[in-house]
Amino acid sequence: DAGVIQSPRHEVTEMGQEVTLRCKPISGHNSLFWYRQTMMRGLELLIYFNNNVPIDDSGMPEDRFSAKMPNASFSTLKIQPSEPRDSAVYFCASSRPGTGRSPLHFGNGTRLTVT
Amino acid sequence: AQSVTQLDSQVPVFEEAPVELRCNYSSSVSVYLFWYVQYPNQGLQLLLKYLSGSTLVKGINGFEAEFNKSQTSFHLRKPSVHISDTAEYFCAVSAISGAGSYQLTFGKGTKLSVIP
Repeated sequence: DAGVIQSPRHEVTEMGQEVTLRCKPISGHNSLFWYRQTMMRGLELLIYFNNNVPIDDSGMPEDRFSAKMPNASFSTLKIQPSEPRDSAVYFCASSRPGTGRSPLHFGNGTRLTVT
Repeated sequence: AQSVTQLDSQVPVFEEAPVELRCNYSSSVSVYLFWYVQYPNQGLQLLLKYLSGSTLVKGINGFEAEFNKSQTSFHLRKPSVHISDTAEYFCAVSAISGAGSYQLTFGKGTKLSVIP
């Protein structure tokens, strides 16, 4: 079990640039979550997928954010254009099917800095 | 909708002393409860969970938590902390939402600092 793999670990970009964060969930997990963590707001759920289908994207801050899951082993979170207030640590997590009983397995995050 | 309150944002404690990190939740339906730990520059990892059965659950690294339905609490405890326990701890509640799917809600976290 390699765990949830996120890339890159760190991303520094200039305001206005496009940023793409990547995630590979644990094999066999059918739910995938994207979270954002900041000092001010703590841990925020951005979007989650079940069986590659977006279920709830109400946490996506605005249209600049988009997420895709083209297959069971890969997801991306894209910010276009990026702004300094997007600076945060972005976590991907996955879980087994389990109707709320299954714990989340988190990746080590991508620390995004937008200057 | 459910909510989770972690009453202390920071808890300093001396090494080898006991510690309790408090968590209260509100929900009108049955819940599943979790504690996660986050070490610096890492993601959250599961410490322990309560799904059903015995209200006292044991987790990794010597931690345990007790589910108290009447108090709607799920406090985390360790009898003797170690320097390596310095981390941020998150309580989380999973409950079925009005839409019929399960919703996981995290507390704002408690930073535990173990003082040598």
